[in-house]
Amino acid sequence: AQKITQTQPGMFVQEKEAVTLDCTYDTSDQSYGLFWYKQPSSGEMIFLIYQGSYDEQNATEGRYSLNFQKARKSANLVISASQLGDSAMYFCAMREGANQAGTALIFGKGTTLSVSS
Amino acid sequence: KAGVTQTPRYLIKTRGQQVTLSCSPISGHRSVSWYQQTPGQGLQFLFEYFSETQRNKGNFPGRFSGRQFSNSRSEMNVSTLELGDSALYLCASSLAFGRRNTGELFFGEGSRLTVL
Repeated sequence: AQKITQTQPGMFVQEKEAVTLDCTYDTSDQSYGLFWYKQPSSGEMIFLIYQGSYDEQNATEGRYSLNFQKARKSANLVISASQLGDSAMYFCAMREGANQAGTALIFGKGTTLSVSS
Repeated sequence: KAGVTQTPRYLIKTRGQQVTLSCSPISGHRSVSWYQQTPGQGLQFLFEYFSETQRNKGNFPGRFSGRQFSNSRSEMNVSTLELGDSALYLCASSLAFGRRNTGELFFGEGSRLTVL
């Protein structure tokens, strides 16, 4: 079974609109971390936002927020006020287990976001 | 502050050859991991190193190996290359291992390997 599921292969949005990218996860661990990364066509993975399983509040970083619904095992990324530069592939990822500082992540298949003017 | 540096950025090899890729983490980062990215399989974890020790390994054949040096720089090697090894190989580094932090991982731009 997939551990990270991103059901939207592609999303299209206009500039200044908000967009939600879906992510569901599957783990039996109590301690885990959830990440969102952006990968532009250059290939580099850019960290956007992190949510720990014990964090009570949803994470926010500028225009990015993570809608964390633990009971539903959902960690959707919300981008407010989309910009043309947001066009990229977006990956949801999870780190399982007690080592919440390791670098081993499980990634979803990604969602391609296209922002138009 | 310099980011994660990967070399070479692009390389072409033929089946049966071997390849070594290098990763220099951000200064002060001691945890390094490697990922393989292909259109079909997506991003898959290869290995994770901390203090020159492999801490975690993904589900890849023994042809894939790696190591970490005392200065935290890491190399990965793929022997007896197959066509399916064509991929973008990404390296990531983070500050610590074994204690909770914000979890931010910094990635390099990757090494794009083409096997002919």
